[in-house]
Amino acid sequence: DTEVTQTPKHLVMGMTNKKSLKCEQHMGHRAMYWYKQKAKKPPELMFVYSYEKLSINESVPSRFSPECPNSSLLNLHLHALQPEDSALYLCASSPAADYEQYFGPGTRLTVT
Amino acid sequence: GESVGLHLPTLSVQEGDNSIINCAYSNSASDYFIWYKQESGKGPQFIIDIRSNMDKRQGQRVTVLLNKTVKHLSLQIAATQPGDSAVYFCAENNGPNAGKSTFGDGTTLTVKP
Repeated sequence: DTEVTQTPKHLVMGMTNKKSLKCEQHMGHRAMYWYKQKAKKPPELMFVYSYEKLSINESVPSRFSPECPNSSLLNLHLHALQPEDSALYLCASSPAADYEQYFGPGTRLTVT
Repeated sequence: GESVGLHLPTLSVQEGDNSIINCAYSNSASDYFIWYKQESGKGPQFIIDIRSNMDKRQGQRVTVLLNKTVKHLSLQIAATQPGDSAVYFCAENNGPNAGKSTFGDGTTLTVKP
């Protein structure tokens, strides 16, 4: 299995909702990432997990909460989001932290 | 057609021509550089990478050149095909913060048949 999968593909949520994004890879990669991408902009790094431990948090607001339950799974828990958080959320994995990354198709999030 | 030198947000080439996409990076501590291709509605896809101890690396139809003196990176695509139409991003990894990838603004490549 050489792909990164993300669910759901699309998500619409209100500002008081709690939801989670899920990411999975079965390539044996030991680093996993969350990115946020706005339309016509480059991906912006949010979090890096290396060997299931959070190694980088790019000063992301606490309404975004990452979780890495095991080496294959990565979650992003969302709570009390703002409309400006609407974006494409990309998950990626790599063999280790300083290697090429393999991206999932993303979750298109709309906050109403 | 080819474009060299400055980073351009868009590049249009004829099918069969060679393409050159440029990228300037800012962090002298960056030691690993990656090119990604992002097609509409998809996540970025790894194309080719290069570490700072090299100045050239070749793949299938693609070549990456690294000039550390002027902090410049380029991606050359030979015999460009319609399937190469996409947004191309360069990314730099900061060695001391392994895993911290910073993406450039991207270049939209359009291949005309």
